[in-house]
Amino acid sequence: GESVGLHLPTLSVQEGDNSIINCAYSNSASDYFIWYKQESGKGPQFIIDIRSNMDKRQGQRVTVLLNKTVKHLSLQIAATQPGDSAVYFCAENIGAGGTSYGKLTFGQGTILTVHP
Amino acid sequence: DSGVTQTPKHLITATGQRVTLRCSPRSGDLSVYWYQQSLDQGLQFLIQYYNGEERAKGNILERFSAQQFPDLHSELNLSSLELGDSALYFCASSPRVQGNTIYFGEGSWLTVV
Repeated sequence: GESVGLHLPTLSVQEGDNSIINCAYSNSASDYFIWYKQESGKGPQFIIDIRSNMDKRQGQRVTVLLNKTVKHLSLQIAATQPGDSAVYFCAENIGAGGTSYGKLTFGQGTILTVHP
Repeated sequence: DSGVTQTPKHLITATGQRVTLRCSPRSGDLSVYWYQQSLDQGLQFLIQYYNGEERAKGNILERFSAQQFPDLHSELNLSSLELGDSALYFCASSPRVQGNTIYFGEGSWLTVV
């Protein structure tokens, strides 16, 4: 069924390192993907999104890569800072033509810890 | 600050009771979503409304219901509460019915005792 698979791994990096967070999805019909950051006690915060007609998109210090062949999504954070410490979720949306409308299916999350 | 406002931030209630969670979407957003976040289930989609009409339904229990009012704010009603309903409930909003970024509020922490 629909699923975006993260197994709540933990990633620990040093300040200044680059971080890569991975996500596998299973629904070929998904055509819109989003990365969210969630800090303790707060709601998910939008980081970056990508549509299925792209394979790479860059933001400020973040890059999302999409490999539709293997149904894989990754978030790269450059020069990781302690303030980047949070749980990161990928989410997918099945787009136009389906009946899921704006429903996002979330992965389980990755805990990123950045050490000063 | 995402612009999505949720109240109350925290509430504690007893089993069997009924609570209402309230959400004000971002200015101009027509879609409202409700999500439940628990330790064992992660972030789960409950229901979506667009301009007052239900548009998508997830794994929402029959004891739960929602609505979106003409001023676009939304309420999530949780009744006959059970211990397992303890969770963080998020509201989110977006401008259109699909295909765009969804912005989340800070959530309502519900503890059922």
